[in-house]
Amino acid sequence: NAGVMQNPRHLVRRRGQEARLRCSPMKGHSHVYWYRQLPEEGLKFMVYLQKENIIDESGMPKERFSAEFPKEGPSILRIQQVVRGDSAAYFCASSTGVQETQYFGPGTRLLVL
Amino acid sequence: SQQGEEDPQALSIQEGENATMNCSYKTSINNLQWYRQNSGRGLVHLILIRSNEREKHSGRLRVTLDTSKKSSSLLITASRAADTASYFCATDTGGSNYKLTFGKGTLLTVNP
Repeated sequence: NAGVMQNPRHLVRRRGQEARLRCSPMKGHSHVYWYRQLPEEGLKFMVYLQKENIIDESGMPKERFSAEFPKEGPSILRIQQVVRGDSAAYFCASSTGVQETQYFGPGTRLLVL
Repeated sequence: SQQGEEDPQALSIQEGENATMNCSYKTSINNLQWYRQNSGRGLVHLILIRSNEREKHSGRLRVTLDTSKKSSSLLITASRAADTASYFCATDTGGSNYKLTFGKGTLLTVNP
């Protein structure tokens, strides 16, 4: 049973470009969470999704950031018009239920030049 | 201090010694979890302890939870060089028990 998969593992973008981060949850997991980790910091919650629904996006910036978890395919975190401050590690986690253990993927490290 | 704050920030020990890390939090929780992160890698789930539990063991790990003091400790016994990593506690809060709040972590270095 493969773990949570994220790709790409590393992403370099210039200011103003778009970044698309993908997350495939563990088999059987229908709950997906995105977190962001700035250098020397702990992870910060961004958004919680279930299939085709955004349940809680309270930790996600209102502008430029969006997330989806379609019926088919991976969850996508999209950052439009990236700025240097978006440089961080973005982690996806999945679980079987809302009160169950969240298992994390290896992360995508975004660098904005 | 922030929810889920670990101390010490850094800990350096010799192989074979025990390592104890602490976590304090501010608001009531449902669960408290400990994760490990190797440098530049993802998080590995270590152990979950629920608010009605006081102690839990998993292999060389022992976690305690004191809800009256709003604190938890992670003990790693007989440490190994491979235990070198950052350790984070993560808490959830009553209303949104999926929204984990992480501290900045404790960087543990185990010297061979």
